Amino acid sequence: GESVGLHLPTLSVQEGDNSIINCAYSNSASDYFIWYKQESGKGPQFIIDIRSNMDKRQGQRVTVLLNKTVKHLSLQIAATQPGDSAVYFCAGPMDTGRRALTFGSGTRLQVQP
Amino acid sequence: GAVVSQHPSRVICKSGTSVKIECRSLDFQATTMFWYRQFPKQSLMLMATSNEGSKATYEQGVEKDKFLINHASLTLSTLTVTSAHPEDSSFYICSATVLAGGPNEQFFGPGTRLTVL
Repeated sequence: GESVGLHLPTLSVQEGDNSIINCAYSNSASDYFIWYKQESGKGPQFIIDIRSNMDKRQGQRVTVLLNKTVKHLSLQIAATQPGDSAVYFCAGPMDTGRRALTFGSGTRLQVQP
Repeated sequence: GAVVSQHPSRVICKSGTSVKIECRSLDFQATTMFWYRQFPKQSLMLMATSNEGSKATYEQGVEKDKFLINHASLTLSTLTVTSAHPEDSSFYICSATVLAGGPNEQFFGPGTRLTVL
């Protein structure tokens, strides 16, 4: 099955700075990855996904990079705002062909005003 | 976007009682719903996969007789925690998806905080 993990449990940044959250995965057969944002006491909120045949995808203020060679992906948030403070999870399919997700351990992003 | 609701949002019960949590897809028909559990400061862990009209598939280590799942319609799945104990206190989150939907088409509910006294 998939194993997805994060390098940093907590990331503190200044408002306006860029944030980078990292994630490693083990299953090279995963055909997509997803980043979620979870605020305290709420369910995960979809941010962006990336297919395994891509190495970069951009959204509004967010960019996800995928490096299949080292099985690593990252989420970059530009001009971080206080509202970005939350826990961020990377996730991938639990097994090939399954829709169920396995989640990384999460990174708490704290934005200092 | 598609909306998934959960009810109740939080529940406190006594040890030994049963608690039912509902997960509803409000504006779409969900062929599959998933139930996750999240302990404080930890990640989400899949408990079971629920397909409409069929028995749920439980992950290893999850007691199917303790966590009863019913997916009677395309818009409703229920999780019943039977004979709850304090160690069952957790944040239970469901997600719903459509057949052949993409990665961005798994929609999560707001979660249910269960506290067992």
